[in-house]
Amino acid sequence: DAMVIQNPRYQVTQFGKPVTLSCSQTLNHNVMYWYQQKSSQAPKLLFHYYDKDFNNEADTPDNFQSRRPNTSFCFLDIRSPGLGDAAMYLCATSRDLGGYSTDTQYFGPGTRLTVL
Amino acid sequence: AQTVTQSQPEMSVQEAETVTLSCTYDTSESDYYLFWYKQPPSRQMILVIRQEAYKQQNATENRFSVNFQKAAKSFSLKISDSQLGDAAMYFCAYTPHAGGTSYGKLTFGQGTILTVHP
Repeated sequence: DAMVIQNPRYQVTQFGKPVTLSCSQTLNHNVMYWYQQKSSQAPKLLFHYYDKDFNNEADTPDNFQSRRPNTSFCFLDIRSPGLGDAAMYLCATSRDLGGYSTDTQYFGPGTRLTVL
Repeated sequence: AQTVTQSQPEMSVQEAETVTLSCTYDTSESDYYLFWYKQPPSRQMILVIRQEAYKQQNATENRFSVNFQKAAKSFSLKISDSQLGDAAMYFCAYTPHAGGTSYGKLTFGQGTILTVHP
């Protein structure tokens, strides 16, 4: 089945120690997103890629970076995790609809990040 | 700015009964998409139903249906014959067909926790 895969599902890191989260997709969608979701809250968009074009949200801290080496893979790098960065990180993908909007976003299972 | 409001933080329903989750939104766009997503505890967020604003007909997916009132900017979700597996956080979400800085932006409501009692 076509899907969005996130690895690892659980990640524990130490305060200030860089960490990378991975997302891959078999849907061949050209748009990929990273969200941060804290407990019992709605997901918060960090950034998205339209093909290789990176689009950062204005309020995303510089501590968060992303890479998309090809259509299938996208990475979230947290350069110096703080205690406040402990959250669920969701990857999502969607298909572009002619440059004005995207189709339904499909979400991966998420990576739960713990910062000690 | 677009906003999505879910005024019911928590709802409960008896198994096999019907429940309606409310959602209102604010936008100046005329063309957009609305979604209901379901997120069970510690599990993946999945799409429940999708509505295109230019379609007057309400979307349905098996036991799930919506009441889309464009003029009132209301988008409620009705779950019929509720099952234990329907228990989850439900998010209403909006995205405009607008491009520019709105491209790809999915605005979520605060979520409604649905409990299903056996």
